[in-house]
Amino acid sequence: EVQLVESGGGLVQPGGSLRLSCAASGFTFSNNWMTWVRQAPGRGLEWVANIKQDGSEKNYVDSVKGRFTISRDNAKNSLYLQMNSLGAEDTAVYFCAREEQYYESGNYWFWFDPWGQGTLVTVSS
Amino acid sequence: DIQMTQSPSSLVASVGDRVTIACRASQSIGTFLNWYQQKPREAPKLLIYAASSLQSGVPSRFSGSGSGTDFTLTISSLQPEDFATYYCQQSYNTPRTFGQGTKVEIK
Repeated sequence: EVQLVESGGGLVQPGGSLRLSCAASGFTFSNNWMTWVRQAPGRGLEWVANIKQDGSEKNYVDSVKGRFTISRDNAKNSLYLQMNSLGAEDTAVYFCAREEQYYESGNYWFWFDPWGQGTLVTVSS
Repeated sequence: DIQMTQSPSSLVASVGDRVTIACRASQSIGTFLNWYQQKPREAPKLLIYAASSLQSGVPSRFSGSGSGTDFTLTISSLQPEDFATYYCQQSYNTPRTFGQGTKVEIK
């Protein structure tokens, strides 16, 4: 069974740091881009960052650039999100997801499947 | 960044109704469009990828259509388990933006 399990969430003070982890199982982790998506309380989904199979390419939403770092360890089947300089606006449930892909005629289609259950990050004093 | 706009933001429907949710991209994205369903306190679930391909295990009452800037998710006959929030998402480029969501509620 393909499974993603996030951990590392919790309560952190403004300006603090937190490292999220996502443990993958049931598939060849090194074959896929991986993604982080977050959801603030009562709000919609916001894509945060993704990372290429070998870690050589990383992309971020503007609101986290310079503060968050996505990384992966293919030997440990694990994805990470290092979050620094946290503010109240970063309070959210953070989901990791596998980026499934399909290639045809020079184009790649990507979609998120499956998703982990999420881990809650609360930034508050 | 590509902006994704869904309409309506919410709707009220009855079991058995045909429901249509629209998603519009701020620029042409071909068929690089996915749909997800999210129930309260659960992770999102993939329904449709590449605009019209049904994910394995998803009931055939769900269908997707469109290309370019205008897309549609259709539920042909609403079932009790379909009451949820639905999101479109583009994978044309990064950031991989989502629509704001459409909440489907029971009449």
